[in-house]
Amino acid sequence: DAKTTQPPSMDCAEGRAANLPCNHSTISGNEYVYWYRQIHSQGPQYIIHGLKNNETNEMASLIITEDRKSSTLILPHATLRDTAVYYCIVRVNNYGQNFVFGPGTRLSVLP
Amino acid sequence: NAGVTQTPKFQVLKTGQSMTLQCAQDMNHEYMSWYRQDPGMGLRLIHYSVGAGITDQGEVPNGYNVSRSTTEDFPLRLLSAAPSQTSVYFCASRVSGGPSSYNSPLHFGNGTRLTVT
Repeated sequence: DAKTTQPPSMDCAEGRAANLPCNHSTISGNEYVYWYRQIHSQGPQYIIHGLKNNETNEMASLIITEDRKSSTLILPHATLRDTAVYYCIVRVNNYGQNFVFGPGTRLSVLP
Repeated sequence: NAGVTQTPKFQVLKTGQSMTLQCAQDMNHEYMSWYRQDPGMGLRLIHYSVGAGITDQGEVPNGYNVSRSTTEDFPLRLLSAAPSQTSVYFCASRVSGGPSSYNSPLHFGNGTRLTVT
């Protein structure tokens, strides 16, 4: 099963881009990379997901390296409300169609 | 759509009491699941269901029961609460079935905070 590695914490200045890295060196060819975030113990919120091409939506951009061993979530203009724990997840098959959450990266956006 | 709705938001139980955490979704999602979140442990899967009448165990199922009689509802039952079950519980759902749903994302409720004394 593919596992992910994220830094435990990061800081970002308000208004600047936040670049959150994720390593998933054992990812298999048909596994997608998902990003979620959790703000202040609310339910996790879906951000974006992708397979091998870069993806962009209204919240963020996802850059996946060509070898798919790592990815970066980019919040282009971070605000104080983006302070949250960000989870990088690779979908595994050991419990059917389930998602496994690691400890994530605690992003602090500083004024 | 209301999305995924969990009730109650907060609950305090005494050891040995039973209760049911409710979860309902109005998105016609086949797949539903329960996670618990403890400090420093991340989210751990308790039980899940891929459709009405079908349930299965996740990573930490002991002490919990589930049933799925309708597509909309997926209640989580604690038959005899223990202090180790003090946690925040999240319900989640997603589309399941058919080629376009294979990698559909999870949608979460806002959680139930349970304290067992």
